Amino acid sequence: IAGITQAPTSQILAAGRRMTLRCTQDMRHNAMYWYRQDLGLGLRLIHYSNTAGTTGKGEVPDGYSVSRANTDDFPLTLASAVPSQTSVYFCASSDSSRTNTGELFFGEGSRLTVL
Amino acid sequence: GQNIDQPTEMTATEGAIVQINCTYQTSGFNGLFWYQQHAGEAPTFLSYNVLDGLEEKGRFSSFLSRSKGYSYLLLKELQMKDSASYLCAVRDTGFQKLVFGTGTRLLVSP
Repeated sequence: IAGITQAPTSQILAAGRRMTLRCTQDMRHNAMYWYRQDLGLGLRLIHYSNTAGTTGKGEVPDGYSVSRANTDDFPLTLASAVPSQTSVYFCASSDSSRTNTGELFFGEGSRLTVL
Repeated sequence: GQNIDQPTEMTATEGAIVQINCTYQTSGFNGLFWYQQHAGEAPTFLSYNVLDGLEEKGRFSSFLSRSKGYSYLLLKELQMKDSASYLCAVRDTGFQKLVFGTGTRLLVSP
């Protein structure tokens, strides 16, 4: 089934540990995104990539890094996790070559708890 | 920067009509999206407006006024399964990024 796959689905992590959230899409979309969703704050963009080999910072990039080595994969790394990074993380992709909508397609989310 | 406002919570009755408003103030504009998100699930695309006017898609319609920075999502013949959060999002003119409002939680009661 075509779509976006995120892993892990859920993770409890000790503060200070390094963590990588994985995201893979098979729709050949050029653009990919990482959002975090927190109660009362909605979805906030962490990092994005318009095409393989390029990345950019979103609204809340501090403490996170991304890479885009190829079209399909867009991992998000927390170098040294802190409790404020406890959140639900959504990976998304879009085909920005389409001029009519270019809507985002979301993965199922990764629930991360940092203790 | 961008600021997007929508009500936090709304309630409605099964079979009724509900209108969820969204106002935005943005430095650039290249379209407005509505997404539906059930609790514990991923957001799913509902509608898109880039020109002024009404877009209808079955029981759901979305309206846009660019001059007023205003949109609404209209849900008709409400069903229990419509209980969800509805997210308004504006696309920047630059990198196709979407900026989301905090969402409106809709509760449909029998």
